[in-house]
Amino acid sequence: EAGVAQSPRYKIIEKRQSVAFWCNPISGHATLYWYQQILGQGPKLLIQFQNNGVVDDSQLPKDRFSAERLKGVDSTLKIQPAKLEDSAVYLCASSLGPGTQPQHFGDGTRLSIL
Amino acid sequence: KQEVTQIPAALSVPEGENLVLNCSFTDSAIYNLQWFRQDPGKGLTSLLLIQSSQREQTSGRLNASLDKSSGRSTLYIAASQPGDSATYLCAVMGSNYQLIWGAGTKLIIKP
Repeated sequence: EAGVAQSPRYKIIEKRQSVAFWCNPISGHATLYWYQQILGQGPKLLIQFQNNGVVDDSQLPKDRFSAERLKGVDSTLKIQPAKLEDSAVYLCASSLGPGTQPQHFGDGTRLSIL
Repeated sequence: KQEVTQIPAALSVPEGENLVLNCSFTDSAIYNLQWFRQDPGKGLTSLLLIQSSQREQTSGRLNASLDKSSGRSTLYIAASQPGDSATYLCAVMGSNYQLIWGAGTKLIIKP
C-alpha cells in the first residue's frame, strides 16, 4: 500500500511570511494527525482529525496556525505569519481510527524560518 | 501530566554489542507503549507495541519490556549492526488515545 505522502519536503521562508503543507494519508485511514517536531525533541501533536472533523486541536497555536481536512482525505496545515520558533519538521500521520495502531508517518516537511 | 524521558540521549557502541535503551514515564495509567525508529530526514517507523496488560514484545533482534508499576520500558537490541544506527523514540498512549513522546536516543553503531 502507498504510504503517507507529504509535500514539500523542505521549505525556507522569512519570518512573518506564510507557508502551507500538504498531506495525503493512506487510503481508508479515517484519522489524521499533524505533529511538530523541533530538533532534539519528540513530536508534539498539533491537531487530530477524525474524517473531516477536528478531534483535538488543544496544542495548535490558533492565532497563527490553521488546518483543514476537506472531504475527509487530504489535509493542509498553514502558518501565517511564521515566527522563528516555528522552525521544525512537520509530520503527518494517519491511522484507521483513533487509538488504532500503528500510526503511519510521512517523511515530514522541514521548515526553516530566516 | 504525562512526561516521557529517554536516557541516554545518545549512545555509540561497536558493532556486535548487545545494548539497552531506556524509557521512563510518570503516569502509569497508560493504554500502550510503543518504540519507534527515526532515520535522518525520515518519518517514524513503529518497531514494537506493548499493550498495558503485556510485559514484553519481541521482533527479530529487538525485545521491548514494560513495567507499568515502575513507569519503565526498555528496548533491547541484540547483536547490533551499523544499519541499526538511528534515533529511537518511545511513546505512551493514554486513555485519550494520544501519544506522548520522549525526546529519543540517538544510536550510532560503529563498524
